[in-house]
Amino acid sequence: EDQVTQSPEALRLQEGESSSLNCSYTVSGLRGLFWYRQDPGKGPEFLFTLYSAGEEKEKERLKATLTKKESFLHITAPKPEDSATYLCAVQGPGGSYIPTFGRGTSLIVHP
Amino acid sequence: DSGVTQTPKHLITATGQRVTLRCSPRSGDLSVYWYQQSLDQGLQFLIQYYNGEERAKGNILERFSAQQFPDLHSELNLSSLELGDSALYFCASSLSSRETDTQYFGPGTRLTVL
Repeated sequence: EDQVTQSPEALRLQEGESSSLNCSYTVSGLRGLFWYRQDPGKGPEFLFTLYSAGEEKEKERLKATLTKKESFLHITAPKPEDSATYLCAVQGPGGSYIPTFGRGTSLIVHP
Repeated sequence: DSGVTQTPKHLITATGQRVTLRCSPRSGDLSVYWYQQSLDQGLQFLIQYYNGEERAKGNILERFSAQQFPDLHSELNLSSLELGDSALYFCASSLSSRETDTQYFGPGTRLTVL
């Protein structure tokens, strides 16, 4: 069974204080790893899809990286508007879209 | 605004009842996905429809069913409701059925079962 573990569960940063969120996974034959951002009371917002170890993607202050066992979401010089829950999901083999989600990391950035 | 609409926004009902949640995908999107998000289970994929046909099924209970209509809107039917069904239900849509497609999520329906 595919498993996804995100850490830390919660993270408080000062504005400008860079950090990383972790997503560890166990899946045979990873087809894709997804990162989403979710604001309170709203639906998740897609950020990145990573497909193979060594791949990196960037968007504004966010950078996602992937190894064979984990993914990191690096946040550089965060701003208060980056406060949200960040979700990670993995897509295993099988040809159908059946993702497994982690429980998320709740990020609060203080001004 | 993702372009995906869901109704109703809130739903309060009693155990044993049946409810229908509705989703309209973004214009041009053919795939619709349903998810359940609860505090103890996190976000769970329920089912996917592509152009009217079921494409993938996740952790969807037998008491739950869904369909996608010719105009591409989708409905999720929840029956014999239990307290544990209380959750946020999200619909998402994407252009095609490829797992690489970006999914756009709606604002969700908050279901409370009393």
